[in-house]
Amino acid sequence: SQQGEEDPQALSIQEGENATMNCSYKTSINNLQWYRQNSGRGLVHLILIRSNEREKHSGRLRVTLDTSKKSSSLLITASRAADTASYFCATGHSGGSNYKLTFGKGTLLTVNP
Amino acid sequence: ETGVTQSPTHLIKTRGQQVTLRCSSQSGHNTVSWYQQALGQGPQFIFQYYREEENGRGNFPPRFSGLQFPNYSSELNVNALELDDSALYLCASSFGGSSNQPQHFGDGTRLSIL
Repeated sequence: SQQGEEDPQALSIQEGENATMNCSYKTSINNLQWYRQNSGRGLVHLILIRSNEREKHSGRLRVTLDTSKKSSSLLITASRAADTASYFCATGHSGGSNYKLTFGKGTLLTVNP
Repeated sequence: ETGVTQSPTHLIKTRGQQVTLRCSSQSGHNTVSWYQQALGQGPQFIFQYYREEENGRGNFPPRFSGLQFPNYSSELNVNALELDDSALYLCASSFGGSSNQPQHFGDGTRLSIL
């Protein structure tokens, strides 16, 4: 079953604009991760944010986590055509299921030149 | 540093056949997780191997089985293939057997069942 649900399912923007994707989840987590997948390729890890953290930055990426609302957002600033990809959030569990990541269905981002 | 490699890249099988997919983990990693990704969906966790033992399993039937070798490479075996098994199969390596680490993915094996 899918734990995380990304919103929107698809997003189309112009180069230079910012892109924001949201992720909601249902059960308690110990971390949340964002991944990028180019068409037909494997996933590339972007950022990991732990449950006791509220915000993290990496280059043009900013991730926030609100555990009270069970939600996260990924902001990509000054987008480029090369950012065109699917973006997935994945939740890491605590306790007996701490081995697995549960992925959402993803947001397809298209950045138009 | 050698990344995660998977073989073969593409495979076509017929219903009822058996298939073995292979994954070489990134150097320094002792954990391999396998995922099934249907078209337009997110990856679904199949199982994880940590230090040659199955460390956890998702909601997949027993005809999905695996192995991890002393060099931490891994195999995914699927018996009695069904049409719904058509998907991209991804392996990911990490260190330590928990989800609290970034996972490093290979480019996957595209399995088509006719």
